[in-house]
Amino acid sequence: DVKVTQSSRYLVKRTGEKVFLECVQDMDHENMFWYRQDPGLGLRLIYFSYDVKMKEKGDIPEGYSVSREKKERFSLILESASTNQTSMYLCASQDYTEAFFGQGTRLTVV
Amino acid sequence: QKEVEQNSGPLSVPEGAIASLNCTYSDRGSQSFFWYRQYSGKSPELIMSIYSNGDKEDGRFTAQLNKASQYVSLLIRDSQPSDSATYLCAFPGGKLIFGQGTELSVKP
Repeated sequence: DVKVTQSSRYLVKRTGEKVFLECVQDMDHENMFWYRQDPGLGLRLIYFSYDVKMKEKGDIPEGYSVSREKKERFSLILESASTNQTSMYLCASQDYTEAFFGQGTRLTVV
Repeated sequence: QKEVEQNSGPLSVPEGAIASLNCTYSDRGSQSFFWYRQYSGKSPELIMSIYSNGDKEDGRFTAQLNKASQYVSLLIRDSQPSDSATYLCAFPGGKLIFGQGTELSVKP
């Protein structure tokens, strides 16, 4: 059974904090993605990675960075959290036929 | 122009009717397309994939792809209240881009 696991389901952080969102997949997929989802805006791609230590900017990378030191783990980093980064964050892992999603992390920045 | 655009919702249909969801895309080189369903508070899940022109049927779901018109659609026949969800089209053009989603509501 395929599994993409995000480290937290709900998270509340203060403005200016450094925030780490972790995503782990057990399918040996090369491609991994981070999205944020906001009402009316759909899934917007923040960053993606094709391989270990490789990363590519998506459509809205500002204010975020990523790390992929191991194939199974893709981390999203908010360097200095701001209230406009309050959102649902979804991690996905992809093979050639399908993308599998984690359960999502609802982040609130206060 | 956005890379993937979906018809705006919400879409409301009565139980038993056909629901039609549409998506246009800008990349002529796109070879495959996915339809995902997302229930409220849940993550998206794949329901259909289509790789060639024409129709692909799976139970009550039919995906239609027209590469010349850069158009992909999803038809849901005999719609059920359990089909009420947001439907997202996507194409794995390297970046795995999603449309903004169409919310479908099926009324009993």
